[in-house]
Amino acid sequence: QSALTQPPSVSGSPGQSVTISCTGTSSDVGSYNRVSWYQQPPGTAPKLLIYEVTNRPSGVPDRFSGSKSGNTASLTISGLQAEDEADYYCSSYSSSSTHYVFGTGTKVTVL
Amino acid sequence: EVQLVESGGALVQPGGSLRLSCAASGFTFSSYWMRWVRQAPGKGLEWVANIKQDGSEKYYVDSVKGRCTISRDNAKNSLYLQMNSLTVEDTAVYYCAREGYSYASDYWGQGTLVTVSS
Repeated sequence: QSALTQPPSVSGSPGQSVTISCTGTSSDVGSYNRVSWYQQPPGTAPKLLIYEVTNRPSGVPDRFSGSKSGNTASLTISGLQAEDEADYYCSSYSSSSTHYVFGTGTKVTVL
Repeated sequence: EVQLVESGGALVQPGGSLRLSCAASGFTFSSYWMRWVRQAPGKGLEWVANIKQDGSEKYYVDSVKGRCTISRDNAKNSLYLQMNSLTVEDTAVYYCAREGYSYASDYWGQGTLVTVSS
């Protein structure tokens, strides 16, 4: 059961935009809009940022946005802030025996 | 306010067993799929198991199939994970999470640490 592939790290200066990719297969990201994104600051539990590819739960700033093209989903953080430093994970439903899978995780650093 | 509180984590020897619990409050527990997710020290998130509202469907990651059992007691608003034949690879923080809309984990507990070591 392979995890979805994310870049290990991305960085940006305050105010800039960064994009995190999440590459899966036609059994998961490519065939279903059941992609979600999570933010995990150090030492804390993950928090839901995006669900169903593009939707933000109440309380999540609109600086966070999601999209998908083919087998790759993306999370964009616009107007990067110091508080955005954290690990970010994507996840997806899978029609394979895996059933549900997380991404490998991306550490976002604010320079 | 939705709350999920895990308990039961401990230091256990390889080959041992452990039962994790998750107490839910602030929502109608019986209306939601629930799941366990784990995170080994310094590593990423790994989905472990899912259970349907009435317990009639369960799914597991391959690495725990045959060794772990997810269950729930809707009368007690509680989720469980029975883990047997534990190995060092099972060492992780175990999170209980609610499955909200479209398979997203919309609420998480604070986690409970399981350490498998001799």
